[in-house]
Amino acid sequence: QSVLTQPPSVSAAPGQNVTISCSGSSSNIGDNYVSWYQQLPGTAPKVLIRDNNKRPSGIPDRFSGSKSGTSATLGITGLQPGDEADYYCGTWDNSLSAWVFGGGTKVTVL
Amino acid sequence: QLVESGGGLVQPGRSLSLSCAASGFMFEDYAMHWVRQGPGKGLEWVSGISWNSGSIGYADSVKGRFTISRDNAKNSLYLQMNSLRTEDTALYYCAKAPGVRYSYGSNWFDPWGQGTLVTVSS
Repeated sequence: QSVLTQPPSVSAAPGQNVTISCSGSSSNIGDNYVSWYQQLPGTAPKVLIRDNNKRPSGIPDRFSGSKSGTSATLGITGLQPGDEADYYCGTWDNSLSAWVFGGGTKVTVL
Repeated sequence: QLVESGGGLVQPGRSLSLSCAASGFMFEDYAMHWVRQGPGKGLEWVSGISWNSGSIGYADSVKGRFTISRDNAKNSLYLQMNSLRTEDTALYYCAKAPGVRYSYGSNWFDPWGQGTLVTVSS
């Protein structure tokens, strides 16, 4: 059972938009920055979003992040076959004094 | 670039030591992490260490059994794993933090190494 809650899977057709939610609490998302990671099959994770809504250089603007209260959201617009991957949210938890991740969301492009 | 090594098959209760060789950045200026991923499972943070080893943290699941350390002169990060359990079986990644601190604040994991596989089984 992960501290942060994500939907196990989302799917959409190419060109469509998807959102992935990440729900936490006041001790983690509510008081800290959220980052998002993409893990393509058989590869190491890669940061997509840092500090809630900032894209590192090289990340397409099709990816966006937002945070409100104790929840965060990753948005992907214009879904592409290459976006099929597992996506994870992560943040620091003040109560646990540890980093916590969501359980991951598998994105399928239909 | 981050390159992990030291993984392998080990019996429950035994020890194993992992290493992560860093290159392409000033290793001594950044905090570092170990993150693991069990087979078919999600990401689990294991441990973090500040730039000068002055601040260290562990997940509850490994506290008292694992020890993180670093040698800035050798651009290397380490994870000593003792009293290994079957549930420690995972791909272990090292990852770099954006600053000197591994914990709260503006912080994330980038880049990640390719991982080294640890299998704990009798």
